[in-house]
Amino acid sequence: DADVTQTPRNRITKTGKRIMLECSQTKGHDRMYWYRQDPGLGLRLIYYSFDVKDINKGEISDGYSVSRQAQAKFSLSLESAIPNQTALYFCATSDGGTRPVADTQYFGPGTRLTVL
Amino acid sequence: RKEVEQDPGPFNVPEGATVAFNCTYSNSASQSFFWYRQDCRKEPKLLMSVYSSGNEDGRFTAQLNRASQYISLLIRDSKLSDSATYLCVVPLSGAGSYQLTFGKGTKLSVIP
Repeated sequence: DADVTQTPRNRITKTGKRIMLECSQTKGHDRMYWYRQDPGLGLRLIYYSFDVKDINKGEISDGYSVSRQAQAKFSLSLESAIPNQTALYFCATSDGGTRPVADTQYFGPGTRLTVL
Repeated sequence: RKEVEQDPGPFNVPEGATVAFNCTYSNSASQSFFWYRQDCRKEPKLLMSVYSSGNEDGRFTAQLNRASQYISLLIRDSKLSDSATYLCVVPLSGAGSYQLTFGKGTKLSVIP
């Protein structure tokens, strides 16, 4: 079984709809992340969480919210989806690493979201 | 200078060739770096990390030049299975956050 899973894997929705993307991990990592990837723009960080009580905005958090329900679960919500939120969304986890070496991030398989 | 910059390619090389990718970064405080590999429509996966001057793993060598702020990835004896996009990744080392900044990737196609 995959260590990091995402549901759904594909979703088509309409403008204005509320959408939740879910991420679960069995790696036992404290740190979890949400990214989006757009062609030609690379991966951009939306939100990250270093433990259940810690939520931080990333580079592009506007229009998104998150919930860290447990160590193993981190959900991303689009309260009112718009077409420019069409993208490939990845969840990732990490264990914090050992300074000064930054930690390795492990990615889920991605959710392809289309907003019409 | 952009935070992380890579030549987007594509690099089209024959099997068995040696190919090198470069990546430049702007944050001189960054101390460790990564190369991730991403297959089409798949998730990125760690290929190599580099902290000191270099790291070698089989056909792959990553080198770091802190003075010039660039990282390179060398692939020797290219295989068809090496075809992918290679992402240069640089941590933002501030306040212990270790957020990662991803380059846009360099696409490699290995041709029979």
